[in-house]
Amino acid sequence: DVKVTQSSRYLVKRTGEKVFLECVQDMDHENMFWYRQDPGLGLRLIYFSYDVKMKEKGDIPEGYSVSREKKERFSLILESASTNQTSMYLCASSFERLAGVSNEQFFGPGTRLTVL
Amino acid sequence: QKEVEQDPGPLSVPEGAIVSLNCTYSNSAFQYFMWYRQYSRKGPELLMYTYSSGNKEDGRFTAQVDKSSKYISLFIRDSQPSDSATYLCAMIDNSGGYQKVTFGIGTKLQVIP
Repeated sequence: DVKVTQSSRYLVKRTGEKVFLECVQDMDHENMFWYRQDPGLGLRLIYFSYDVKMKEKGDIPEGYSVSREKKERFSLILESASTNQTSMYLCASSFERLAGVSNEQFFGPGTRLTVL
Repeated sequence: QKEVEQDPGPLSVPEGAIVSLNCTYSNSAFQYFMWYRQYSRKGPELLMYTYSSGNKEDGRFTAQVDKSSKYISLFIRDSQPSDSATYLCAMIDNSGGYQKVTFGIGTKLQVIP
């Protein structure tokens, strides 16, 4: 059973703080993703990674960075948190194959981040 | 124009009703089509997956794809209160050499007992 875990369910931080969100998957997936989900805007891709130490910008990378030092772990970093980064953050992982059902993304439970 | 359009709802139906959820898209490169279900305070989970135009059934759920009209649907028969959730369509474009997934904003469904 695939499991994607996120370090916190709820997080409250102050403006200007550096914030780390951790994601770990246990299925040896090559691909990992960070999304934020906001009402009326849906899921928006922040960054993704197809291999260790590899990262690619998604649709909204500004204000974020990522780190993938190990295959199972993908971290999202908010260098200087701002109030407009208050959101639900979802991590996901999937196999590398481009075709077939392995395209399924497995999501973690999400971290609800509030920046005051 | 967004690549994927989905009505956010909310959609409220009585138990036992047939539910129709829809998405339209503009990118002809989308090849794979998925429906995810997201319960409150949880991450999305895959419900249905289709590739070609036509219908695919799984129990009470039917996914329909019409590539010529760029339109996909999810039908839920005999809806149950446990079906109350947000349903997100998702579409995959592999043309760039890697999978790029675009999600709809999700339709919130409430099934009233």
